[in-house]
Amino acid sequence: QMQLVESGGGVVQPGRSLTLACVASGFMFTNSPMHWVRQAPGKGPEWVAGLGNDGRDKHYADSVKGRFTVSRDNSKKTMYLQMNNLRIEDMAIYYCAREGYGSGRCGVFDIWGQGTVVTVSS
Amino acid sequence: DIQMTQSPSTLSASVGDRVTISCRASESISSWLAWYQQKPGKAPKFLIYEASTLEKGVSSRFSGSGSGTEFTLTISSLQPDDSATYYCQQYNSYSPTFGQGTTVEIK
Repeated sequence: QMQLVESGGGVVQPGRSLTLACVASGFMFTNSPMHWVRQAPGKGPEWVAGLGNDGRDKHYADSVKGRFTVSRDNSKKTMYLQMNNLRIEDMAIYYCAREGYGSGRCGVFDIWGQGTVVTVSS
Repeated sequence: DIQMTQSPSTLSASVGDRVTISCRASESISSWLAWYQQKPGKAPKFLIYEASTLEKGVSSRFSGSGSGTEFTLTISSLQPDDSATYYCQQYNSYSPTFGQGTTVEIK
């Protein structure tokens, strides 16, 4: 059974840092580009960051560029999201997702985790 | 970034009705469009890719069409389990973007 499980969410003050993790199982993680997608309360999903299967090719949304860093450890089948200088507007459910069928630039998100909640509040 | 605009924001229909949701891209995305279904408290579920290809295991009640900038998701015969919010997503660029969603309610 293909599965993604996120962890690391919590309550953090503005300006502080948090690191999320996503552990994969049931599919070839080393062959899969992976992404973080977030969803603020009552809003649609927003893509945050993605990286290629070897971890070298990385892309970020403008809203997080320079503050967030995505990485992966294929030996642990785990992807990470280091979030620095958190803002109120970063508050959301953070999902990790596997990239499936693609255009060559990006793809669909065919497997999603259950999400981890990040609350930014003073 | 490519902007995705869905309409309507909400629709209410009866069981058995044919339902259509529209999605418009701010620039041409060829057929690089996906559709998702999301129920409250759950992650989105992937339904359709390349505008019209159904993911394995997804009900044939769902279908997609369109190319360029105009796309449509159709539910041929609405069922109670189809009550959800539906999102389109373009993956033509390195920065994928989603529509704001269409909530389908059962009358």
